[in-house]
Amino acid sequence: QKEVEQDPGPLSVPEGAIVSLNCTYSNSAFQYFMWYRQYSRKGPELLMYTYSSGNKEDGRFTAQVDKSSKYISLFIRDSQPSDSATYLCAMSATGGFKTIFGAGTRLFVKA
Amino acid sequence: EAGVTQSPTHLIKTRGQQATLRCSPISGHTSVYWYQQALGLGLQFLLWYDEGEERNRGNFPPRFSGRQFPNYSSELNVNALELEDSALYLCASSLVPGTGGAETQYFGPGTRLLVL
Repeated sequence: QKEVEQDPGPLSVPEGAIVSLNCTYSNSAFQYFMWYRQYSRKGPELLMYTYSSGNKEDGRFTAQVDKSSKYISLFIRDSQPSDSATYLCAMSATGGFKTIFGAGTRLFVKA
Repeated sequence: EAGVTQSPTHLIKTRGQQATLRCSPISGHTSVYWYQQALGLGLQFLLWYDEGEERNRGNFPPRFSGRQFPNYSSELNVNALELEDSALYLCASSLVPGTGGAETQYFGPGTRLLVL
């Protein structure tokens, strides 16, 4: 079993739709949770960062962490064609453990 | 503020050759991470350097090695290249975990290595 599972998609939605991206994990020591966006042939860029459980909102993006279920989500409201990219979840524990990344979900937002 | 930079952007080698990839972290960041992102796969952790020392290593053979220089820049070396080493190699930098700063990693654009 992988430490982090992420549906690779692709996920295709019309412009303006609400997008839900999810990851599950198995290591209960994870406390830092991140979402990255990666455009084609570019490096990932940090979108959202949360510590422990709860929600965090930034503009059209909302990140949710449910540690009891070992499940994290990224919601994108009013999706735009410019949101078309691969979204990677990532997580780590404290104390210098390496960050574990999901395989990424490819998202296509159609105009 | 300049981001993480990597060179070269593209590299073409043949089987058995050696490849050297370079990375400069964000100013003030002392940790450098290397990842391999093969086509259709997620980021696979390769190496973590901090203060010139190798702190952690992923599940890769010893022909993947590197070092970190006093200015915190880093080099990844891949010896005896194999076809399956073809991938995007990403470098990231961060503040050292445990110092009170969030463990977030800022990525460079990557070096695309093609092994023929």
